[in-house]
Amino acid sequence: DTGVSQDPRHKITKRGQNVTFRCDPISEHNRLYWYRQTLGQGPEFLTYFQNEAQLEKSRLLSDRFSAERPKGSFSTLEIQRTEQGDSAMYLCASSPRGGLSTDTQYFGPGTRLTVL
Amino acid sequence: GQSLEQPSEVTAVEGAIVQINCTYQTSGFYGLSWYQQHDGGAPTFLSYNALDGLEETGRFSSFLSRSDSYGYLLLQELQMKDSASYFCAVSSAPGSSASKIIFGSGTRLSIRP
Repeated sequence: DTGVSQDPRHKITKRGQNVTFRCDPISEHNRLYWYRQTLGQGPEFLTYFQNEAQLEKSRLLSDRFSAERPKGSFSTLEIQRTEQGDSAMYLCASSPRGGLSTDTQYFGPGTRLTVL
Repeated sequence: GQSLEQPSEVTAVEGAIVQINCTYQTSGFYGLSWYQQHDGGAPTFLSYNALDGLEETGRFSSFLSRSDSYGYLLLQELQMKDSASYFCAVSSAPGSSASKIIFGSGTRLSIRP
């Protein structure tokens, strides 16, 4: 399967713990995006990378959130000191195009985070 | 600021045609996309419009009017499997300091036999 993969698919954690999610994009895609989605809402943009460079970061992303893409391939999203409000589906998407555009983005299955 | 508006719910009959509208406010508009998402699934790309006019892909068509900041998704010959949420999404011009991708809240489409 050459689609976008995410790991883990589900994560349950206690408030205050740190969590890290991984995303493996489609191999030839140089653009990688992270979104957060809550029930009944559309995906909310968090950040995106072109190769290893983080080019855009939402102002909604607090200092507890950090993302990396060290070798321009897979990416990790870390949430420190989780809060109950962080409970959501975290989606990763990749795109072969340059620029921050809404040309075709391929989404992974997501990581569902539940903070108790 | 940037915002999108689309109806929260639409109901239609199998075999019929349905149109889902999307109006947007954004600076440096670049393009309008539509995504489908089934319950529990990931969003999947349907169509993209950068220029005014109609784009057709099988049973789905998408329209854009940049002057009206308006677009729509047209679904024809509706099938039960089309029951899903549909999101419009826009971005401002790539590379600008204000650029980011905005998704609408989604339109939940329910198909009745």
